[in-house]
Amino acid sequence: ILNVEQSPQSLHVQEGDSTNFTCSFPSSNFYALHWYRWETAKSPEALFVMTLNGDEKKKGRISATLNTKEGYSYLYIKGSQPEDSATYLCAFSGFLNYGGSQGNLIFGKGTKLSVKP
Amino acid sequence: DAMVIQNPRYQVTQFGKPVTLSCSQTLNHNVMYWYQQKSSQAPKLLFHYYDKDFNNEADTPDNFQSRRPNTSFCFLDIRSPGLGDAAMYLCATSRPSRGKRETQYFGPGTRLLVL
Repeated sequence: ILNVEQSPQSLHVQEGDSTNFTCSFPSSNFYALHWYRWETAKSPEALFVMTLNGDEKKKGRISATLNTKEGYSYLYIKGSQPEDSATYLCAFSGFLNYGGSQGNLIFGKGTKLSVKP
Repeated sequence: DAMVIQNPRYQVTQFGKPVTLSCSQTLNHNVMYWYQQKSSQAPKLLFHYYDKDFNNEADTPDNFQSRRPNTSFCFLDIRSPGLGDAAMYLCATSRPSRGKRETQYFGPGTRLLVL
């Protein structure tokens, strides 16, 4: 059974704080790791797709790193703003035919971030 | 803007009464997915269509069916909803490259309540 774990489950920070959270995933047959941001009442929005060990991606104040050998990814938010409040989901995909998943996304439960003004 | 649309946003149904959730897309993507997310759980894939080919996940209950009449539309039918089927239902699309899955684009979801 493929398992994707995210921690912490929720996080409350003050505006201006920097924060980070973790996604753990199977380290074998890795193909890609996805990060999504899901604001309340909106559609989940793709942030990053990461495929290579050591990958670092950046989008504004948000960045992510990837370690496929040990099976984890970190998402960092620098200087959190209230508009960063959302649930951050990560999702793993393996090579086609791995575990019968055919390369589909397997999601974690998410980290819910609340940023207070 | 190209997008994934889900209707309705909230759906209330009665125990055992069939219900249909709708998804449409203007992205012209050839893959469409349905996910179920129960409270405090991870989104879980129910099934997906690759063009007209239907792919059911092994643990998706028979109570859940899907139809894709054309590229743009996909429906989720729940034949006899139970209380345990109350959840957020997410539709997503993608255009794979080289036979592998790429970024998925999501609709805002339909929250189903079963009374």
